[in-house]
Order: sequence, then C-alpha cells, then structure tokens
Amino acid sequence: RKEVEQDPGPFNVPEGATVAFNCTYSNSASQSFFWYRQDCRKEPKLLMSVYSSGNEDGRFTAQLNRASQYISLLIRDSKLSDSATYLCAVNRGSARQLTFGSGTQLTVLP
Amino acid sequence: SQTIHQWPATLVQPVGSPLSLECTVEGTSNPNLYWYRQAAGRGLQLLFYSVGIGQISSEVPQNLSASRPQDRQFILSSKKLLLSDSGFYLCAWSENSGNQPQHFGDGTRLSIL
Repeated sequence: RKEVEQDPGPFNVPEGATVAFNCTYSNSASQSFFWYRQDCRKEPKLLMSVYSSGNEDGRFTAQLNRASQYISLLIRDSKLSDSATYLCAVNRGSARQLTFGSGTQLTVLP
Repeated sequence: SQTIHQWPATLVQPVGSPLSLECTVEGTSNPNLYWYRQAAGRGLQLLFYSVGIGQISSEVPQNLSASRPQDRQFILSSKKLLLSDSGFYLCAWSENSGNQPQHFGDGTRLSIL
C-alpha cells in the first residue's frame, strides 16, 4: 500500500459545481496534513493546512478523519480558475519530511 | 516575509555533463531544506533533505548529491548526468519546528539530451 494515495482523476465538473477529493494515508502516527495546488508546469503552492477540527477558507473546506486515515478537500461553487492538480501531503519523520500523493486533476468546464 | 529562489528555470544538458542547481532562502534562519524531482505526469519524489549546515540525508540512491554550505543555501549536483535525470527539480523549505508546511521554489526544468 502506498503511503499516500489519491484518485488521479481527471475530475471534469461544470462551473458552480461542488467537488470533493479524498486522500488516504497509511502512517497512523502522521501529525501534519496539507493540500497543495499545482498548475501545469509550475511549482506546488500551499492551499491549506488540515487541522483535526477541520478548517475552511472561503470556498475550500478541508477535513481530517483520523479513524479512517484520510483527509478531504471540498471545493464549492467551482471556478474556471480552480482547474489544477491538487496534491495532498502527509508528514513523516522528525525532519518534517512530507510524502505527497500523486495528485488529483481537476478541470472546471464553462 | 520568507522567499525562496531557485535557478536556473530551465536547463538543457548533454548526457555525461555535470550539474549544479542552486536554491537560497531568505527571511528565515535554520530552515529545513528539501530537493524533490517530479517526472512528467508523476508525483513528487523526495531526493534529499537537510536540517542544518552540512547535514544531508538522502532518500533514494541515485546519480545526484546535495550540499548545504550555508544555512540558507542548498545545492543539487551531479558529476555525470544520465538520461533518466530529466525532470522538474523543486527546492523547498520549512520551519524547523512544529507541524509546518513546505514552500516551494519555482523549479528547474532539466532536459538531458
């Protein structure tokens, strides 16, 4: 089993739709969880951290389910500009190493 | 605020040539530093990380090496490049305490001919 797994997609959704991504992780000792956004041929950029209590930033909501070992990202009212690859990242080790999922590709259609 | 600089942005090198990619961070002290490679259409592979000057940990055996000669400088090198070294190389930094995220440089797109 991979340390971090994501559905690669692609997810093709119309503007205004709500879309959700899940990311499962295998290390039950993981403490830090993040979602990154990566545009084509660009570097990943931090979208949001994922806290135990869940957190929301505008149209984006991230949640953590420790019992089932997954994190989720919900995007409401999708915009064309949301089209990108979304990477989840989970920490491991004492040097803050992160293991990244392979990413989920989202395309928002007009 | 903290910034990370990585150069060059693109590089085309012949097989067997040496490589040196440089990354510097500003606005923070004693950061953790990381080198990743991302092959086309693939995920991020951690190559090296460093928790301090001169301290390098390698994640995978390979044709590359890393060095950290100064607190905020991280260098990725190779003596002889292979075709399989092609890819998108990303430097990242994080704070060295707490559950902090990593922040990436703009990346170097390396093509080996």
